[in-house]
Amino acid sequence: QSALTQPASVSGSPGQSITISCTGTSSDVGGYNYVSWYQQHPGKAPKLMIYDVSNRPSGVSNRFSGSKSGNTASLTISGLQAEDEADYYCSSYTSSSTYVVFGGGTKLTVL
Amino acid sequence: QITLKESGPTLVKPTQTLTLTCTFSGFSLSTSGVGVGWIRQPPGKALEWLALIYWDDDKRYSPSLKSRLTITKDTSKNQVVLTMTNMDPVDTATYYCAHKGIAAAPGVFDYWGQGTLVTVSS
Repeated sequence: QSALTQPASVSGSPGQSITISCTGTSSDVGGYNYVSWYQQHPGKAPKLMIYDVSNRPSGVSNRFSGSKSGNTASLTISGLQAEDEADYYCSSYTSSSTYVVFGGGTKLTVL
Repeated sequence: QITLKESGPTLVKPTQTLTLTCTFSGFSLSTSGVGVGWIRQPPGKALEWLALIYWDDDKRYSPSLKSRLTITKDTSKNQVVLTMTNMDPVDTATYYCAHKGIAAAPGVFDYWGQGTLVTVSS
């Protein structure tokens, strides 16, 4: 069982917006602004999309945005495109001995 | 340009020790704040963080696997090595190494290797 909880799947139509949640505790998501999000296409390595809750690395589309409220972080993808269909993982620093935790992943389907 | 590549055996037997090498370029593991981590992913399952080594040789391990893991670095060779003892079929996974940047928080990996699939079977 992953330390961070994500929905198993979400879906949306092209052009729509979707949001993926990532729920943790006050020891990780809620306690630090150290949440990151990764996109993973089948057979490929993960790609960093968001770090420190809401920052985008250079080259990542501004259609991707992150936020946090309490112990839950969220990834929003606006203007959905077919290429956004992938698995998405959240991650956080944690003050527990675990140090780094990942979510269970969310499969995004673009209808 | 930062690149990382994992190498090691594709098949190991139960109870054996796995040794994986991450060879990287485009950065130095002697630069303050830089780290290299290992993350694995069983087929069809989620990512799992394993270990992280920093420029100053500070090492962090997943508590659930700490007794079986050792991470080391060879700065002169631009390599990080992960060993995992007493391998079991449940350790079958794709193993990734990844770069943690200077300003990045722990666990923020901005560059990843392609991954290497390790199968544990007799």
